[in-house]
Amino acid sequence: NAGVTQTPKFQVLKTGQSMTLQCAQDMNHEYMSWYRQDPGMGLRLIHYSVGAGITDQGEVPNGYNVSRSTTEDFPLRLLSAAPSQTSVYFCAARDGYEQYFGPGTRLTVT
Amino acid sequence: GNSVTQMEGPVTLSEEAFLTINCTYTATGYPSLFWYVQYPGEGLQLLLKATKADDKGSNKGFEATYRKETTSFHLEKGSVQVSDSAVYFCALSPLVTPLVFGKGTRLSVIA
Repeated sequence: NAGVTQTPKFQVLKTGQSMTLQCAQDMNHEYMSWYRQDPGMGLRLIHYSVGAGITDQGEVPNGYNVSRSTTEDFPLRLLSAAPSQTSVYFCAARDGYEQYFGPGTRLTVT
Repeated sequence: GNSVTQMEGPVTLSEEAFLTINCTYTATGYPSLFWYVQYPGEGLQLLLKATKADDKGSNKGFEATYRKETTSFHLEKGSVQVSDSAVYFCALSPLVTPLVFGKGTRLSVIA
């Protein structure tokens, strides 16, 4: 049981490039979410999904897109990377009250 | 709305000292409460939880009690170790909406 996996672990992008951060879970949980973590800011919710085909915006959705075609996968797309998107990104899957986090992707935008 | 306020860090303690990290919350309804821990370079892990008033969550020597009357969920440990150095997050779960996290408290324990 791998839990929540994220790829890549590290990524460097140039301003304006696009990319997709991958997130997968093998726990069959309906609820998944994406957070970003910046120094001194704690965790901020980007997007979340309550099941396949259903997504909603969180606190800081601008510049990011998500889709949920299967229960297992919840990719996060950066449309046109900006230096302000330099951060550590965490994906999570939730079973009722308890939330399980992936190991994170450290993204640097130059 | 729902919110979590936890004490600002960093907190620096000597090994075997007593730890308290304060957490208070504002919520509609009766959320579950959590403490998560993040070790350097890793994701967040659930440390303990409490699902109703007066419940005490405990794990690895850490404890927290769900106090509805004071809307608090303070984290305590009687004797910290160097290996407890991490960032600790208090969170509440309203079940049908996203978890709400505090900003985190960095703990450093020195030998």
